[in-house]
Amino acid sequence: DQQVKQNSPSLSVQEGRISILNCDYTNSMFDYFLWYKKYPAEGPTFLISISSIKDKNEDGRFTVFLNKSAKHLSLHIVPSQPGDSAVYFCAASVNSGGSNYKLTFGKGTLLTVNP
Amino acid sequence: DGGITQSPKYLFRKEGQNVTLSCEQNLNHDAMYWYRQDPGQGLRLIYYSQIVNDFQKGDIAEGYSVSREKKESFPLTVTSAQKNPTAFYLCATADRRRFGNTIYFGEGSWLTVV
Repeated sequence: DQQVKQNSPSLSVQEGRISILNCDYTNSMFDYFLWYKKYPAEGPTFLISISSIKDKNEDGRFTVFLNKSAKHLSLHIVPSQPGDSAVYFCAASVNSGGSNYKLTFGKGTLLTVNP
Repeated sequence: DGGITQSPKYLFRKEGQNVTLSCEQNLNHDAMYWYRQDPGQGLRLIYYSQIVNDFQKGDIAEGYSVSREKKESFPLTVTSAQKNPTAFYLCATADRRRFGNTIYFGEGSWLTVV
């Protein structure tokens, strides 16, 4: 049972345009969400996170939106740059009540930004 | 130099052998994790530890073992009971004193069974 789903395995955009990466989740107990970026043969690097008490968090070119009623979050990258080309993982966790600090990951979306 | 150090980067194992992947951190983080990534797949949790001398099974613990004798170290042993050990293994840590579950990853170790 996949609790975090990234339904698009890949996405291709032009440099300078917006990239929108989507993620859906099924576990209503999730209250903290993160996005990671990963290059081949390297460990993922943390990009941005959002708590369930918010619906938007922005950090430079990266913005994460959370729609709790739809159990959906998205990562917007504006403007997209060729160096953004990587696999992006969505992750979620339960933080309330002394959580076990486990992250559940989606399968990732390969973003390609074309010059 | 701070961070998470995984070694070796590349490891070849013969079938039937146990191998141990090292993970050391100097971030003073309490929690440590081992994830596995297969091609086209997400990250799957093998084992995690929230405190020294304590660890729990993740989603795919069969065929693996861990120890947490020191805060800085969380080695993973891939035993001969693991049927498909060839994968990219990632160690991660988290600071439990901070809200949220931001975990930080090492550079990963490639294990290939030959």
